[in-house]
Amino acid sequence: GAGVSQSPSNKVTEKGKDVELRCDPISGHTALYWYRQSLGQGLEFLIYFQGNSAPDKSGLPSDRFSAERTGGSVSTLTIQRTQQEDSAVYLCASSSRLAGGAETQYFGPGTRLLVL
Amino acid sequence: ELKVEQNPLFLSMQEGKNYTIYCNYSTTSDRLYWYRQDPGKSLESLFVLLSNGAVKQEGRLMASLDTKARLSTLHITAAVHDLSATYFCAVVFVQGAQKLVFGQGTRLTINP
Repeated sequence: GAGVSQSPSNKVTEKGKDVELRCDPISGHTALYWYRQSLGQGLEFLIYFQGNSAPDKSGLPSDRFSAERTGGSVSTLTIQRTQQEDSAVYLCASSSRLAGGAETQYFGPGTRLLVL
Repeated sequence: ELKVEQNPLFLSMQEGKNYTIYCNYSTTSDRLYWYRQDPGKSLESLFVLLSNGAVKQEGRLMASLDTKARLSTLHITAAVHDLSATYFCAVVFVQGAQKLVFGQGTRLTINP
């Protein structure tokens, strides 16, 4: 079946502009995660959605970052007033609960964001 | 603090040799994962380890978990060039909800 998909694959923007990144999780997966990967910081958790529960936003680096998940499926990560330090690869992952807690997060191909 | 540390960060080895990547983590973990990342690509799941003493093997890769030592190892047997990639361990901490906390990654280069 289809894996996690993300769009766009690449995004170049100017400092100060807003960007929206999209994630389509694997069908039927109830959990959705956003991470970012940068040279300086490695792989960092940003936000986690599970079903209809309130999202865990503990990894968002500033209030310029927000995310929503509509209808329990597609998610959009929005970065307002982008800064150069926001340049990174933004990875989305999804998972479903398995017995014994053995759920695996499956990652999408990522969106490579470059802020000039 | 929830911390995951890998060792070594860079590893260059010859085909046919064996080597081990180490992953230490700072506090009680719910489960531990190993992922592989090829250049410019996303993360591919390799193993999930749930309990003390867990061992999983796939081809030339074997992962193990010692929860008392807070240590996981990824052992490569008779390395081949196709295994060149960056390998990440990631931990779900009991108090960290469902988020993965990643190690820094080990960049493995296997030379003919």
